[in-house]
Amino acid sequence: QQQVKQSPQSLIVQKGGISIINCAYENTAFDYFPWYQQFPGKGPALLIAIRPDVSEKKEGRFTISFNKSAKQFSLHIMDSQPGDSATYFCAASPTGGYQKVTFGIGTKLQVIP
Amino acid sequence: DTGVSQDPRHKITKRGQNVTFRCDPISEHNRLYWYRQTLGQGPEFLTYFQNEAQLEKSRLLSDRFSAERPKGSFSTLEIQRTEQGDSAMYLCASSFDSSHQPQHFGDGTRLSIL
Repeated sequence: QQQVKQSPQSLIVQKGGISIINCAYENTAFDYFPWYQQFPGKGPALLIAIRPDVSEKKEGRFTISFNKSAKQFSLHIMDSQPGDSATYFCAASPTGGYQKVTFGIGTKLQVIP
Repeated sequence: DTGVSQDPRHKITKRGQNVTFRCDPISEHNRLYWYRQTLGQGPEFLTYFQNEAQLEKSRLLSDRFSAERPKGSFSTLEIQRTEQGDSAMYLCASSFDSSHQPQHFGDGTRLSIL
């Protein structure tokens, strides 16, 4: 079963617009929520991460919003650029001695000029 | 380059053959992970090492799969008697040995079974 549900699976945004990707989880043991960016032929690269003790984290044009009670979190990409065109994965991992990361299905973002 | 390195980048083999992949993690990282990614999906956890100890294996890791990290540095993933369904990208990641440390991924080995 899909423990981290991600939507939409594809997204087309105009240059300068806001890209929004949503994720939801069920496992209350998850307490670390990274987002990864993946370009074709490359491995996933960490973009930004959040823990549930904060409701928002911003790094440059990228913002994570987190709603612990709803078990939902989202990535906002402000002023989207063609170079942002990639596949984005939300992910989650639990507390404990290690981090087994569970990924969402991915969102293929295309930013058009 | 001090990132995670994987070799080979591409492997094409016939069904039934054995294949072995290598991962060199970031040198300071104690933890090493293997994931599998199929087209249009997110990576799926396969197994995890802390130093040389293999601490967890996913149900996805059938008896045909074996992973080692003999000296706590590089790791190998071997698939015996490959099947069509093994075609995927095999990703390696590494991280520091403490909670909530980000995993750094290599660029993967793409396996194609003919």
